[in-house]
Amino acid sequence: AQKITQTQPGMFVQEKEAVTLDCTYDTSDQSYGLFWYKQPSSGEMIFLIYQGSYDEQNATEGRYSLNFQKARKSANLVISASQLGDSAMYFCAMREGTSYGKLTFGQGTILTVHP
Amino acid sequence: GAVVSQHPSWVICKSGTSVKIECRSLDFQATTMFWYRQFPKQSLMLMATSNEGSKATYEQGVEKDKFLINHASLTLSTLTVTSAHPEDSSFYICRVFPGGRSRPSSYEQYFGPGTRLTVT
Repeated sequence: AQKITQTQPGMFVQEKEAVTLDCTYDTSDQSYGLFWYKQPSSGEMIFLIYQGSYDEQNATEGRYSLNFQKARKSANLVISASQLGDSAMYFCAMREGTSYGKLTFGQGTILTVHP
Repeated sequence: GAVVSQHPSWVICKSGTSVKIECRSLDFQATTMFWYRQFPKQSLMLMATSNEGSKATYEQGVEKDKFLINHASLTLSTLTVTSAHPEDSSFYICRVFPGGRSRPSSYEQYFGPGTRLTVT
């Protein structure tokens, strides 16, 4: 079974609008971490935001926020006020409590921001 | 500045030759390094985990004799693709993990810039 699932292969958004990228996960660990990364066409992996399984508040980093719904096992990324430079591939990833440092990635979502 | 470097950033080689990719941790000692490969528009697939001074742990389906990993020091890990073939053409990315106790998110951002391998 997939541990991390991103069901949107591609998403389009108008500049300055908000967009939500979906991510669901599956783990039996109580302690885990969820991450979002941006990968532009250059290939570099850019860390965006982190949510710990015990964090009660949703994580926010500037225009990025993570909508963490633990009971539903979802960790959606919300990008507010989209910019043209946000066009990239986005990955959701999970670090399980028993896998020291090891990350499992979702399939990725290609986001295209239109002017 | 960059925390992790990879060399080369891109390489073209002929089928049957071997290629070595280096991953260096510039700012800290990395007890663990992870190697990923990524095909165009696909996810990162973990190939192996290397710990300094010990043998790498390969993921299921990854040929250890084809993808040789050496983590000889706390700042350098190398991935050698032996007898490369066109199907080995891919983007290879390393990630370094310093270990220890710290803010959990701070150690998950240290990726190398990647190496694009093309085998002709």
